[in-house]
Amino acid sequence: ETGVTQSPTHLIKTRGQQVTLRCSSQSGHNTVSWYQQALGQGPQFIFQYYREEENGRGNFPPRFSGLQFPNYSSELNVNALELDDSALYLCASSLGLTDTQYFGPGTRLTVL
Amino acid sequence: GIQVEQSPPDLILQEGANSTLRCNFSDSVNNLQWFHQNPWGQLINLFYIPSGTKQNGRLSATTVATERYSLLYISSSQTTDSGVYFCAVGDQGAQKLVFGQGTRLTINP
Repeated sequence: ETGVTQSPTHLIKTRGQQVTLRCSSQSGHNTVSWYQQALGQGPQFIFQYYREEENGRGNFPPRFSGLQFPNYSSELNVNALELDDSALYLCASSLGLTDTQYFGPGTRLTVL
Repeated sequence: GIQVEQSPPDLILQEGANSTLRCNFSDSVNNLQWFHQNPWGQLINLFYIPSGTKQNGRLSATTVATERYSLLYISSSQTTDSGVYFCAVGDQGAQKLVFGQGTRLTINP
């Protein structure tokens, strides 16, 4: 059984660019959640996908968008990157909406 | 929304010592998890414990849901226990996890 995987590991972009981060959920998990973790802070919820539909969103602007595919893998897209978007982006998958969430290793995004 | 407070923010101990980390939350929860974040950023699941007590080796956790707190105990600390420990809760109405600010644990040899 493979765990949650994320790609890429690291990414450097410049302000104004767009970025796509990818997440493969753990086998059998139909729910994927995305979190942003700024340096020295706890992770902040961005949004959650359940069976390909968005199922809750945190306090993030619309330039943060996502997608979940039929195999339950997911993408996080961020448009018009800002310097404050520099953070560790974490993806978590779970069997159901309130079950244990298992996190991937994260993607570290740097915006210059 | 629900608030999560962890204490202490920092803890420095010698190898072999015991420690207790606390997590207070402001409302009823349907999910509570403890994580250890390693130096590379990976969040490692320690416990899923919305209520009751669980033990796993040198680690144990207790959640008293009626009093809205959870405790993580680490016994006979090892240097590999160093890192940041997070408590995260899921509130009744939303499916997200709300994280505390973490406790940074440093175990010196």
